[in-house]
Amino acid sequence: GENVEQHPSTLSVQEGDSAVIKCTYSDSASNYFPWYKQELGKGPQLIIDIRSNVGEKKDQRIAVTLNKTAKHFSLHITETQPEDSAVYFCAASPGGFKTIFGAGTRLFVKA
Amino acid sequence: GAVVSQHPSWVICKSGTSVKIECRSLDFQATTMFWYRQFPKQSLMLMATSNEGSKATYEQGVEKDKFLINHASLTLSTLTVTSAHPEDSSFYICSTPFGANYGYTFGSGTRLTVV
Repeated sequence: GENVEQHPSTLSVQEGDSAVIKCTYSDSASNYFPWYKQELGKGPQLIIDIRSNVGEKKDQRIAVTLNKTAKHFSLHITETQPEDSAVYFCAASPGGFKTIFGAGTRLFVKA
Repeated sequence: GAVVSQHPSWVICKSGTSVKIECRSLDFQATTMFWYRQFPKQSLMLMATSNEGSKATYEQGVEKDKFLINHASLTLSTLTVTSAHPEDSSFYICSTPFGANYGYTFGSGTRLTVV
């Protein structure tokens, strides 16, 4: 079955700097890669996603890149702000409703 | 967008009692609902998948008789923690797939504390 690995587990950046979170997946059949942001005490929220027929997608300060050959995808947050501090989960879907989540990255943005 | 309303947001119960957590889809039909458990600073652990009108599918190691899941309608799925023990204390979250890509919309979570 699909396995998703996520790194780093913790990331601390200075406000205004960029943050990058990387994930790898194992199932070449996976074709949908969402990213979720979870704030303390709340459920995760979808912040950006990418399908396997696209190499990069951007939405304001966040972007996601996908390398199908290497089976890895990354989340990039530019000009980080304190409100970006949260736990971020990558995920991979091999089709249908099934989604496998990474272990999460705790991002701290220092003011 | 799609919204899943989860209640209660937090609950404290005594050992041996049962607690019911509800997830309602607002303005859309949720034929499938996933139930997760999340320990502090850890990832989401899938407990079970419920489908409207049929029995839930439980992940390996999850006790069916302890975590009762009911998906009686297209807008409501419930998780009942029966005979709760302190080790059941956790953050429980529901989610349902939506849209063409099946991204998940999550409930806001329920913090269960068993004393």
